[in-house]
Amino acid sequence: EDQVTQSPEALRLQEGESSSLNCSYTVSGLRGLFWYRQDPGKGPEFLFTLYSAGEEKEKERLKATLTKKESFLHITAPKPEDSATYLCAVRSYTNAGKSTFGDGTTLTVKP
Amino acid sequence: KAGVTQTPRYLIKTRGQQVTLSCSPISGHRSVSWYQQTPGQGLQFLFEYFSETQRNKGNFPGRFSGRQFSNSRSEMNVSTLELGDSALYLCASSLGQEANVLTFGAGSRLTVL
Repeated sequence: EDQVTQSPEALRLQEGESSSLNCSYTVSGLRGLFWYRQDPGKGPEFLFTLYSAGEEKEKERLKATLTKKESFLHITAPKPEDSATYLCAVRSYTNAGKSTFGDGTTLTVKP
Repeated sequence: KAGVTQTPRYLIKTRGQQVTLSCSPISGHRSVSWYQQTPGQGLQFLFEYFSETQRNKGNFPGRFSGRQFSNSRSEMNVSTLELGDSALYLCASSLGQEANVLTFGAGSRLTVL
């Protein structure tokens, strides 16, 4: 069974203080690993897809990386508007149509 | 381009009742999946439909059911509601059979009293 564990559960940063969020996964045949952002009262919003170990994707202050067992979401010089819950999900070749999500990391960036 | 539309956004039911939630995917998206989100369990997969066929189903009791219509719109139904069914129900659509990126709606917030 596919499993995703995210840490920490919550992270409080000062504006400009860089940090990383972790996503550990177990999956038989990784089709893709996904990062989503969820703001209160809204559905998750897609950020990145990573397909193979060593791959990296960047968007503004966010950078996602992937190894064979985990992914990191690096946040460089965060701003208060980066405050949200960040969700990691995996899809496998053996479980068609299903994304398995972690419980998320709630990030709060204080000005 | 219109996003994923879910109706109703909020609803309150009592135990034993049933509820039907609706989802209109992005135009051209043929896959629709449903997730239950609660503070304690996070996002849990309910089921996924592609071209009116259920391809996968999560570990939920038979009270949870769904369907997809020929225009890709989808509905999910929960019968004999229990207090524990209170949750945010999220619908997501994606382009094709093996397309991976999900576009979520804002969800339907169900409260069971």
